[in-house]
Amino acid sequence: DIQMTQSPSTLSASVGDRVTITCRASQSISTWLAWYQQKPGKAPKLLIYQASTLQGGVPSRFSGSGSGTEFTLTITSLQPDDFATYYCQQCNTYSTFGQGTKVEVK
Amino acid sequence: EVQLVESGGDLVQPGGSLRLSCAASGFRITTYSMNWVRQAPGKGLEWISSITSSSITKHADSVKGRFTMSRDDAKNSVFLQMDTLRAEDTAVYFCAKEQRRLSFDAYDIWGQGTMVTVSS
Repeated sequence: DIQMTQSPSTLSASVGDRVTITCRASQSISTWLAWYQQKPGKAPKLLIYQASTLQGGVPSRFSGSGSGTEFTLTITSLQPDDFATYYCQQCNTYSTFGQGTKVEVK
Repeated sequence: EVQLVESGGDLVQPGGSLRLSCAASGFRITTYSMNWVRQAPGKGLEWISSITSSSITKHADSVKGRFTMSRDDAKNSVFLQMDTLRAEDTAVYFCAKEQRRLSFDAYDIWGQGTMVTVSS
């Protein structure tokens, strides 16, 4: 099974900050990686698929990069609505999620 | 509108059974792979089951032999039969649709979730 490791687990940031979250796969998954945002009591929301393709309606301050085993999600200028938990997901073979990164107010 | 609505969550005793339903609207479930993902209280997301457009099912090791995913094309719905439930199965269960007609893909549509509590 493919394991996904996210870092950091928690990130403290301020509005306007540039934020980067890293996800590592236990084996190569090419670009079969997605990123989700989840707020308390809500279902996850797809932000990015195929490692770097922005889902429709998602603000351009979100971007994704990487291939193989190393991936990053970047938020260029953190907005108040962006405080949430973010998950990566490998879609190479069925599915595995990372453990999540909570972006909290500094 | 493309939508998924789960139902069937409840409080059940250890060793008991429960059947979750996920009703789709705005698209045909026969066209896409569908999945169940769960989230234990305060924890992360865990994929547990999928069914392809060809009705091939796959389950995570944590539920294999106890949970069974199926679908009813006429009702445009997928189901999760959960048997021999354990305390560690306590979670919110989400139904999710894969975005494209590929072998595997990201999940673009999610239901609101249904809560399953396993406790005596």
